[in-house]
Amino acid sequence: EDKVVQSPLSLVVHEGDTVTLNCSYEVTNFRSLLWYKQEKKAPTFLFMLTSSGIEKKSGRLSSILDKKELFSILNITATQTGDSAVYLCAAPNSGNTPLVFGKGTRLSVIA
Amino acid sequence: SAVISQKPSRDICQRGTSLTIQCQVDSQVTMMFWYRQQPGQSLTLIATANQGSEATYESGFVIDKFPISRPNLTFSTLTVSNMSPEDSSIYLCSADRTMNTEAFFGQGTRLTVV
Repeated sequence: EDKVVQSPLSLVVHEGDTVTLNCSYEVTNFRSLLWYKQEKKAPTFLFMLTSSGIEKKSGRLSSILDKKELFSILNITATQTGDSAVYLCAAPNSGNTPLVFGKGTRLSVIA
Repeated sequence: SAVISQKPSRDICQRGTSLTIQCQVDSQVTMMFWYRQQPGQSLTLIATANQGSEATYESGFVIDKFPISRPNLTFSTLTVSNMSPEDSSIYLCSADRTMNTEAFFGQGTRLTVV
């Protein structure tokens, strides 16, 4: 059975801190790994990773995939209170989509 | 990515009643999916909505409880039938264009059953 495991489940940091969120996966016929940010209801897309070792970056957020060790990390530098959200990691299951989601990391950034 | 309009945004319903949630995509998509997110939990797939055929349900979800329609390539509905308080969740529809693009989501429906 395909699965995605995220850690930590929750994290509290101060503004300006750097955080690293972890995601490990076991997916048959792996194609990609995705990161989403969920603030209220709808997850918003952050990154799609398909190749090992190639960092994807968007502002203060970056992510990288290790296909050998079957994990990905999401880094957020200089955190702001607006980064407070649940960060979800997901992978398409052994067929096509749909996505198998991890339980998420709830990040709280306090001023 | 495309845009999915999902409605209603939220509803409070009496137990025993049914609620239909609609998702309209602004362009044709091959695959549409329905997820449930119970309080404090991650997203769990309910079913894949197939155009022109019956939906494909995941283990633990049945058509009688969650009937789904997909009349064309831009629209789908999910009905939560004979609701109980345990059905209180966020329901999300999702779609993607191709195998190589990310899935995108509707705005979600927060359902409370009293």
